[in-house]
This record gives sequence, C-alpha cells and structure tokens, in this order.
Amino acid sequence: AQTVTQSQPEMSVQEAETVTLSCTYDTSESDYYLFWYKQPPSRQMILVIRQEAYKQQNATENRFSVNFQKAAKSFSLKISDSQLGDAAMYFCAFIFGNEKLTFGTGTRLTIIP
Amino acid sequence: EAQVTQNPRYLITVTGKKLTVTCSQNMNHEYMSWYRQDPGLGLRQIYYSMNVEVTDKGDVPEGYKVSRKEKRNFPLILESPSPNQTSLYFCASSGWGVRDTQYFGPGTRLTVL
Repeated sequence: AQTVTQSQPEMSVQEAETVTLSCTYDTSESDYYLFWYKQPPSRQMILVIRQEAYKQQNATENRFSVNFQKAAKSFSLKISDSQLGDAAMYFCAFIFGNEKLTFGTGTRLTIIP
Repeated sequence: EAQVTQNPRYLITVTGKKLTVTCSQNMNHEYMSWYRQDPGLGLRQIYYSMNVEVTDKGDVPEGYKVSRKEKRNFPLILESPSPNQTSLYFCASSGWGVRDTQYFGPGTRLTVL
C-alpha cells in the first residue's frame, strides 16, 4: 500500500526564522511526483513546490525548498525567513504509479510575530 | 483570468434531497477531479476525468456521481445526500493529466442535516 504520513499536526515558528515540515511516504514505485500544497484560511489550495523523484536536485521556490531523500522516503519542506502570510495548513502530496494524487493529513503552521 | 470556479460556495441541505455542485474551468484543461477534505484525513479523491466522456472512481466514490459532457464542466452530483457527506469539497483541473500542476477551485462547504 502507498501511504503518506505527516507526523506533525501543528507547528509554530517565530517570524523571520526557519521551519521545516516533515513528510514521509511508502511506495514500491520508482517513478513518482511529490508536491507541497498550502491552504491558508481562505481555504484555497495553492501549489508551493513540486519535485520529480527522478531528479536528484532538490526543488526550490524563493523561500521554500525541499529536502528530498529518496532512499529514506522523506520529503520535507523548509521555509526560510518565515512571514505572517505563511501561516496555513501545509499538505504534502504524491502521485504514484496509479496516477492518483494522494495527500497527507496536513500540518498547521502558526507564525509568531 | 485562468481559474476554476465552483458553485455554490456554501450549501446546507437535508438528507435525501438531490443536489449538484458545479465545477467549471476556463483553461481548456483535459484532466479534472473532485476531492473532499475532512479534518484529520487530508484530501481524498472522489472521482476524476481524463477527458470528455471519460470518468473513473477515486478513493471515496460511494454516494457520488459525476459527468463530463463538456471539457470545461465537471459537476458533482449527490443523488441522496447523507450526513456523512458533510465536508469541504474541491474541484481541480490540470492540463494534460494528474502529473501536471493542478489548479484548485475555491471549495464548497456542504452540510447535510
């Protein structure tokens, strides 16, 4: 079975500091795609970052970067210089061989001013 | 403006009263899907459509129907809603398949009494 686990239901970080959200998964597939989505209080789902499993280089998007460790099946999101607008639920998600987007249960991130 | 729209945004109904949640995208996307979001469970896929007249079940299809008669529209139909279908529903679309970046609608909050 293919599973996605976010073990941190809630996290908080001081404004301007760095925070890392963890996500692990289990699959026997070798080709898959990994995503982090952000859901602010508006409920809109926003793609933060995308990573292809066959790429060794970790994806980055401005202050957001991932640490993708394929052997460990780990896909964490690092947010640098945290801002108040980063407060949201964050979901990791995967597309495994069955072409279905599978989400984790989410981590609620609070930014402390 | 490229977008996915859903209507209604909020709906309160009673058990057994048929309802339809509409979803429309203006990006000429081939792939469309429906998800439900429940606390502690993340997002789970209900149905998806690879193209016009092509639909398939996701993880939680029971109690739902969909149709894809036109490329831009992908309505979600609840023939006989029950309280366990109270949830937040999202429609999403992507250009050429689920591996492409998915654009989400604003969500529909459904309450079934």
